Amino acid sequence: DGGITQSPKYLFRKEGQNVTLSCEQNLNHDAMYWYRQDPGQGLRLIYYSQIVNDFQKGDIAEGYSVSREKKESFPLTVTSAQKNPTAFYLCASSINGVGEKLFFGSGTQLSVL
Amino acid sequence: QKEVEQNSGPLSVPEGAIASLNCTYSDRGSQSFFWYRQYSGKSPELIMFIYSNGDKEDGRFTAQLNKASQYVSLLIRDSQPSDSATYLCAVRFGFNKFYFGSGTKLNVKP
Repeated sequence: DGGITQSPKYLFRKEGQNVTLSCEQNLNHDAMYWYRQDPGQGLRLIYYSQIVNDFQKGDIAEGYSVSREKKESFPLTVTSAQKNPTAFYLCASSINGVGEKLFFGSGTQLSVL
Repeated sequence: QKEVEQNSGPLSVPEGAIASLNCTYSDRGSQSFFWYRQYSGKSPELIMFIYSNGDKEDGRFTAQLNKASQYVSLLIRDSQPSDSATYLCAVRFGFNKFYFGSGTKLNVKP
């Protein structure tokens, strides 16, 4: 089945630690995205990538980093510079082009120990 | 930053009634509009999309778009308790950036 796989489902971060969230898709989509969702709030864009080896900052990129070495993969690293990382992280993908739809993975809940 | 505004609710309707959810957006150049349903602790699920002015119907759902007034709405007919969720409005700005409203929580009472 085609889809977007995020792992792990739950992740705990210690003070000063970097953690990496995995996102893999087999939909052959060009564009991939990372969103952050805080309780009772909408989704805020962290980073997005339209093609391999290229990515752009979203509205809340500080304290996060990404890479896009393969079309299928778009991992997100939450660095120690992100002082309030507790949130639900959603990876998404779409085909490039006006009108194309966004599809989501199942999400990773990150909490601070 | 692009703005997508929704009333946070909660919106409460009795079972069988019509639920009406609204969304406004700031960029007149936006061309693609989406409604997602999100259950608590789950990821958003696409339920409707609309690109042209007017109405688009799919089963119990109707999306309405008015570009001149910069609003998009979602009507849910014959609301069911299983429709109780948060509904997120999303707007595609430019080539590849999607922005989301904060969502409207819908409660359908049996």
